[in-house]
Amino acid sequence: GENVEQHPSTLSVQEGDSAVIKCTYSDSASNYFPWYKQELGKRPQLIIDIRSNVGEKKDQRIAVTLNKTAKHFSLHITETQPEDSAVYFCAASNANSGYSTLTFGKGTMLLVSP
Amino acid sequence: EAGVVQSPRYKIIEKKQPVAFWCNPISGHNTLYWYLQNLGQGPELLIRYENEEAVDDSQLPKDRFSAERLKGVDSTLKIQPAELGDSAVYLCASSFKFPYNEQFFGPGTRLTVL
Repeated sequence: GENVEQHPSTLSVQEGDSAVIKCTYSDSASNYFPWYKQELGKRPQLIIDIRSNVGEKKDQRIAVTLNKTAKHFSLHITETQPEDSAVYFCAASNANSGYSTLTFGKGTMLLVSP
Repeated sequence: EAGVVQSPRYKIIEKKQPVAFWCNPISGHNTLYWYLQNLGQGPELLIRYENEEAVDDSQLPKDRFSAERLKGVDSTLKIQPAELGDSAVYLCASSFKFPYNEQFFGPGTRLTVL
């Protein structure tokens, strides 16, 4: 089955700095890579996703890059704000399987200090 | 649009007692997932339903866990008997089946086994 590794486990930045979270996956058939944000005590929520037919996707201050050859993808947050503080999870799945399952990484706790 | 609803939000029981969790998915979502989330970890799939059919229950500890999704809408996850190690957050999620399925999570049920 799929295995997703996520680094770092914690990341502390100053407000306004950039933050980068990296994930690797093992199954070359995986083609859908979402990122979820989970604030303390709340449900995970999708913030951005990327499909294997593109190498980069941006949405305002967040972007995701994908390297299929190396089987890794990254989340980039620019101009971080205190409200970005949360746990971020990457995930991977083979969306073509019809009954796809997401395999999640262990999460990165991002702390943005004012 | 109403989100995924779960109840109860919190449950405290003594070991060896039974416990049940309920989930109502987003209307129209035919795929329903139950996840286990331990503290500081990413969600781990327990079981996935496509309508009323359990299509992936390979990670469900069947000696003590059971689930059902009658009529392909609401779902119930049961543990009997509960063990200390079952203390965790149980997340329900739902999605459309195809093709790149954003999963919408419920608020979760935090189970504490004493």
